[in-house]
Formats: sequence, structure tokens, C-alpha cells
Amino acid sequence: EIVLTQSPATLSVSPGERATLSCRASQIVSSNLAWYQQKPGQAPRLLIYGASTRATGIPARFSGSGSGTEFTLTISSLQSEDFAVYYCQQYNNWPPSTFGQGTRLEI
Amino acid sequence: QVQLVQSGAEVKKPGASVKVSCKASGYNFISYGFSWVRQAPGQGLEWMGWISAYNGNTKYAQKLQGRVTMTTDTSTSTAYMELRSLRSDDTAVYYCARDPGAVADTKFFDYWGQGTLVTVSS
Repeated sequence: EIVLTQSPATLSVSPGERATLSCRASQIVSSNLAWYQQKPGQAPRLLIYGASTRATGIPARFSGSGSGTEFTLTISSLQSEDFAVYYCQQYNNWPPSTFGQGTRLEI
Repeated sequence: QVQLVQSGAEVKKPGASVKVSCKASGYNFISYGFSWVRQAPGQGLEWMGWISAYNGNTKYAQKLQGRVTMTTDTSTSTAYMELRSLRSDDTAVYYCARDPGAVADTKFFDYWGQGTLVTVSS
């Protein structure tokens, strides 16, 4: 089973600043990695798939990069609605598809 | 617009079974698969398994093998997840999610249901 390790566990950033979230895979997952945003009481929302492709309707301030085992989600200028928990997910080696433990982005 | 509407909250006793439904609309049902993902209170996301709406192929997480069954009904565009022999640590919100993996594999999850809380308690 591939383990995804996200860092940091909590990231404190001010609105308007840039946020950089990391996801490291225990084995190579090629570019088969997605990022999700989850707000309290809501279902997750797909942000990025294929490591760097924005999902439909996702603002351009969200970008993904990386391949192999190291991946990054960058939010270029934080808006108030961006404060949430972010998860990465690999779908290269499965079953099981696996998620990271999440990064909480707080003000 | 794509919508996934799940059935309502359930309270079950240990050892019982639960079956959660997920009715899809707004797209060609058999052109996608479904994955089921659960989230225990205050915890992260756990992938449970995948089913092709095209041919019914399934793959389950090993830890749930033998207790979980995923099915689809193309006549009603509905996916189902049944979990048996429930334990207290099965208490979670259960999500269905549309999966572009239509035939042979799971991918990412582009639309999600609203979630169904399943509480297992004696």
C-alpha cells in the first residue's frame, strides 16, 4: 500500500499570501495524484488531477506540480474561502487508492 | 448538472448491515464508475472500493473484503454500497463519488454525494 505523507499538518497563512502544501509518496505514483479541498460539514471537492490539471471551475490561483514521489499544491493568493483541509490522493497503485492525512490551512 | 444524492442517516447495532444508495443524474451513468470513501469523525478520508457502472467490475480495499458489496442499477442510475457485520469503528460519513475510471480502474473523484452518516452503536 502506498503511503502519502502531507506536510505540514497545519499551515497558518494570512489572506493574500501564498500557501505551499506538500505530499510525498512512499513509492512512485507517476502523475496519478489528485488534490481535494474539504470544508467543515461538506464533501471534499476535486481541485487538481493528473498532478497539475485543474478541475472544472477551479480558480487559477490553485496550481499543482510534481511527479514521481514529490508533489506540491500552491495557492497563489489566499482568499478567505480557501481556509480548509486539503488532501492528496494517489490512484497509480491500487487497490487501495490512498489519501494523505490532510493539511489544515488556517488563518 | 451532475448530482449525486445519497440516502439518509442510519443508526445500526453492532453486527447489523447497512446499505447506502447514491442516485446519479445529469450525465451518462454508464460512462463512469463510482468510488466509495468514508470518513470517521474527525479523521481523514479512506477509500473503500470502486465499481464500474458500465460492466459491474469491482475492486475493494483489502481490509473490507468479505464485508462490503458495491452494486449499481442502471435502470435507476443508482449506486449502492452494503457493509455487513458492522462494528463501532465503522461509524463514519460514507460518500459516493463519481469516478472517471469507467471500465477497469479507479482514478480521481470529480463529483461527490452529500454524505451519509452511519452510526454503529449498541
